[in-house]
This record gives sequence, C-alpha cells and structure tokens, in this order.
Amino acid sequence: AQKITQTQPGMFVQEKEAVTLDCTYDTSDPSYGLFWYKQPSSGEMIFLIYQGSYDQQNATEGRYSLNFQKARKSANLVISASQLGDSAMYFCAMSLSGGYNKLIFGAGTRLAVHP
Amino acid sequence: NAGVMQNPRHLVRRRGQEARLRCSPMKGHSHVYWYRQLPEEGLKFMVYLQKENIIDESGMPKERFSAEFPKEGPSILRIQQVVRGDSAAYFCASSQGNEQYFGPGTRLTVT
Repeated sequence: AQKITQTQPGMFVQEKEAVTLDCTYDTSDPSYGLFWYKQPSSGEMIFLIYQGSYDQQNATEGRYSLNFQKARKSANLVISASQLGDSAMYFCAMSLSGGYNKLIFGAGTRLAVHP
Repeated sequence: NAGVMQNPRHLVRRRGQEARLRCSPMKGHSHVYWYRQLPEEGLKFMVYLQKENIIDESGMPKERFSAEFPKEGPSILRIQQVVRGDSAAYFCASSQGNEQYFGPGTRLTVT
C-alpha cells in the first residue's frame, strides 16, 4: 500500500540555523513524485519543492532542498538559514504513475522557528 | 495569472443543509483535484476531474458527496444533508506537469 510517514509531529529550530524534516514513503511503483508543501497558520497550501523518482540530482529551490535517498525511501526536506516566517506545518506528499497527480499526504510536521 | 480560486472561503451550514463549494483552476489547467483536511491531519484525496469527466472518485464518500466540472464554469463539490463530521477544510488543486497548485481552501463548519 502507498503511504507517507512523517515521524516528527513537532520540531523547533533557532533562527538562521538549518533544519531537516523527515519523510519516508512506501510504494512498489517504480515511477513516482515527491512533494513538500508548507501550510502557515492562514491555512493555504504552498508548494515548495518536487523530486521525481528518476531524477538523478536532489531538488533545490532557494533555501529548500530535498535529500532524496531512494534505497532508503526517504525524501527529507532541508531548510537552510531558517527564518521566523518558516514557522508552519509542513507536509510531505507522493504522487504515483498513472498519468495524473493524485497526492497522498503525510500527517505533517509543525515547525517552530525561535528568535 | 490568477491562481486557483475557491469560494466561499468560509461556509457555515446547519445539519441537514446542503453545502456547495466552488473551485476555478488556474488559467490553462483542465485538471481539478479535491482534498479534505480534518483538523490536525494531512489532506486526503477525494476526487479527480477533467472537464465534464470524473476520472477518479476513489476518495469520495459513497453517499451525500458529489463533484462535477462542467464544460463552462467552476468545479463544484456538493455535500448534501451535511453532518458535523463534514466540518473540515476542503481544498481544490489544479495541475500542470508535475506541479500541483492549491487554492486557499473552503472551511466548512456544520453546526
């Protein structure tokens, strides 16, 4: 069965430091995509980063990078130089092959950035 | 280029009433997904539609819930005879390639 697991209900980090949010996934499908979304207290879902299962290099988008370890089935999000505005819920999600992007979400990690 | 639009942003219904949630995808997108988020949980897929077609409704409850995406106009998620357990945030998303963009959500409260 396809599943996303985020084992950290809550994390905190000091401003300007880096933080890693964990995500493991389970699928037998060889073709899949991995996503990270940010949900601030206002409630909207903000797309952060995408990694395809066949991508050779780890995805990066500004201060966000995805540490993709295919053999371990992990897709951790690394946020560098944390800012107070990074405080939010973070969701890892997976899409499967089949021609469309139906997403399976993890339970989320609440990140608090302390000054 | 406007993003995904959803309205209303907040909706209050009494038990037994109907709720209609609207979603306009991003310009040029013809694929719409609906998700539901219960408090303190991740999003759960409900249904995937293309114009005039339901492609995957595996996440939709069997009763009271329906969705459509007509040739003209927004996609509609309809919940008949709402119950308290339907209180949640309902998100619509549209996709282009590998990226999926979400609307701001509709927060449904059933009293």
